[in-house]
Amino acid sequence: GAVVSQHPSRVICKSGTSVKIECRSLDFQATTMFWYRQFPKKSLMLMATSNEGSKATYEQGVEKDKFLINHASLTLSTLTVTSAHPEDSSFYICSARGPGINSPLHFGNGTRLTVT
Amino acid sequence: AQSVSQHNHHVILSEAASLELGCNYSYGGTVNLFWYVQYPGQHLQLLLKYFSGDPLVKGIKGFEAEFIKSKFSFNLRKPSVQWSDTAEYFCAVGNTGTASKLTFGTGTRLQVTL
Repeated sequence: GAVVSQHPSRVICKSGTSVKIECRSLDFQATTMFWYRQFPKKSLMLMATSNEGSKATYEQGVEKDKFLINHASLTLSTLTVTSAHPEDSSFYICSARGPGINSPLHFGNGTRLTVT
Repeated sequence: AQSVSQHNHHVILSEAASLELGCNYSYGGTVNLFWYVQYPGQHLQLLLKYFSGDPLVKGIKGFEAEFIKSKFSFNLRKPSVQWSDTAEYFCAVGNTGTASKLTFGTGTRLQVTL
């Protein structure tokens, strides 16, 4: 089945630094990718939707300058957490879907970010 | 805006017991409904989905869900759970025509004991 690879799985960074998380679709072309954030005991919160070659669409309340999303190719999207703070510590999950409005979503394994 | 409620946060069952996990959503339009499962240490996987047609949907591993439009519900069921069903279960709702943009519930942790 389709696989979405997310890297790194865990990252620890110091406050004020930036962290990049990659999301790759390994065996299909992902026209749309979604980035979620999951808080402990809470649901996945959609942060943004990215379509290949265009600017990401951010959900209300998500700072686009802080969470930079790039979807430069049909197989790769990146999320960069800029000037990270401890409150950015969370579990970030990407998902990807192919063309077609009812194409299934495939999820990455997630990235645990800890900002010290 | 749409929202999804999963009222059971943590469910503990013995093997062979029957399972029903509740999911209610709020949205006035036509929706697509999903149940995802996340086994320990693994990524989210689709269990089943409802787009249209028969409101009783069969999924993988013996799971099924019933869409009851009048109750805005999409409860997940399994007649006899196994230890390997221990996982986190997420209900999700998507608008038709919005490219799989989903709203997730808070999840239900299912623990199956031997």
